[in-house]
Amino acid sequence: EIVLTQSPGTLSLSPGERATLSCRASQSISSNYLAWYQQKPGQAPRLLIYGASTRATGIPDRFSGSGSGTDFTLTISRLEPEDFVVYYCQRYGSSPLTFGQGTRLDIK
Amino acid sequence: QPQLQESGPGLVEPSETLSLTCTVSGGSITNSNYYWGWIRQPPGKELEWIGTIYYSGNTYYNPSLKSRVTISIDTSKKQFSLKLNSVTAADTAVYYCARHKLTVAGPGGLDYWGQGALVIVSS
Repeated sequence: EIVLTQSPGTLSLSPGERATLSCRASQSISSNYLAWYQQKPGQAPRLLIYGASTRATGIPDRFSGSGSGTDFTLTISRLEPEDFVVYYCQRYGSSPLTFGQGTRLDIK
Repeated sequence: QPQLQESGPGLVEPSETLSLTCTVSGGSITNSNYYWGWIRQPPGKELEWIGTIYYSGNTYYNPSLKSRVTISIDTSKKQFSLKLNSVTAADTAVYYCARHKLTVAGPGGLDYWGQGALVIVSS
């Protein structure tokens, strides 16, 4: 099983700043089968990025994904107030599909 | 845009079987470009993949739950279902159904989700 470790656990920033969230895999992820999700309180997760760097439908271009192998990054270029929630990475393709433990983005 | 809706009991007694159904509307459950999955999230904790099914009936299960899980599909009703037996308090969670994109390796990212159903395991 590929374990995903997200860092930091909590990131405190201000609106307008740039956020960089990390997701590290215990083994190389083939074909960049890595996704990022945003979860607001009381809501289901929303797909932001798949294939490590492809934005899902309707996702603003301030969200971008990068990386390959074992190291992946979600970048939010200019934080909006609604971005201060929890983000998860996920590895997919072959079983088992796994999620990271999440990064919480807090307003500083 | 597809819509997914979970339904089932919100309270299950320990050692019993948790049963949930996901109804898909606004899209075809037999579309060969998608898989259909179950994911859960204990209160205040991270997401856990439970398992996934293809319209043909092929299933993929999380090895940690495989001995207790059955996922099935009824294409005529546009529904897929989850059964988790021998539940304990550790199975208390919000259970989500969701649609996977297709990849050549199997289930892909989850692009549409239900709103989630809280299931509490307690006597």
